[in-house]
Amino acid sequence: QQQVKQSPQSLIVQKGGISIINCAYENTAFDYFPWYQQFPGKGPALLIAIRPDVSEKKEGRFTISFNKSAKQFSLHIMDSQPGDSATYFCAASTRWTGANNLFFGTGTRLTVIP
Amino acid sequence: DAGVTQSPTHLIKTRGQQVTLRCSPKSGHDTVSWYQQALGQGPQFIFQYYEEEERQRGNFPDRFSGHQFPNYSSELNVNALLLGDSALYLCASSLDLAGGPTDTQYFGPGTRLTVL
Repeated sequence: QQQVKQSPQSLIVQKGGISIINCAYENTAFDYFPWYQQFPGKGPALLIAIRPDVSEKKEGRFTISFNKSAKQFSLHIMDSQPGDSATYFCAASTRWTGANNLFFGTGTRLTVIP
Repeated sequence: DAGVTQSPTHLIKTRGQQVTLRCSPKSGHDTVSWYQQALGQGPQFIFQYYEEEERQRGNFPDRFSGHQFPNYSSELNVNALLLGDSALYLCASSLDLAGGPTDTQYFGPGTRLTVL
C-alpha cells in the first residue's frame, strides 16, 4: 500500500515556467514532509522540507504548500531551469515510531525545455 | 565535511549468491538507514540502525540483514539473491538527539546491484 501518492508521473515545462508536483497522504501521524531531487545515477538530495504547523515554506525558487485538512502538499518550482531536470520525490515520516524512516512517493520526472 | 559514502558503486551477482554492501554515515551522524530503490520507483525503507541495533524494519524478508559498527558505519547483507533484488541500494544517515531521531536524512550515492 502506497502511503504517499504522487502526481504527475512526468512533467514537461518550458524554461521560465512554473513546475507543480502534488502529493497526498493518509497517515495523520506523519509530521515531516521533505522533497528530494534525484539526478540519474545519484542518490536523492534534500531540497526543502515542511512540518504541518505551517502552510507554506519558501527557499529560493522552491516552495512547499501544505494543506493539513486535505492531507496534501505540493512543490512549486518557480522560473524553472534546464538544470532542474531531474526526478523529484515527496516523502513523509513520523516520530511516533521512534524512528525517522521515510515513506516516498513514486516520483515525478521533470523535464525543463530550453 | 564528508557526506554519506557507499561501496561498492556497482555489483553484479548471480541468483542464490550473497552480497554485502557498505556505508559510512555523514560526519557526526550516528543513525543509518537502508533503502531499496527499484528502477523507476521511489526508495523503500529496509531498516534503520542506531547504537549498533536494528531500531526499525520495513517490509523486507529475513534474507535482508544488517549490522552497525561502533564507528557508526553499517553493512547491508542480502542472502539467497533473487532477480527481483536488482535495485539501487541507498544508505541514509541522520543524527539522534536526546528526544529521538532528527528528521533530516542525507543519502549516499547508492550501490547499483544487478542480479543475473
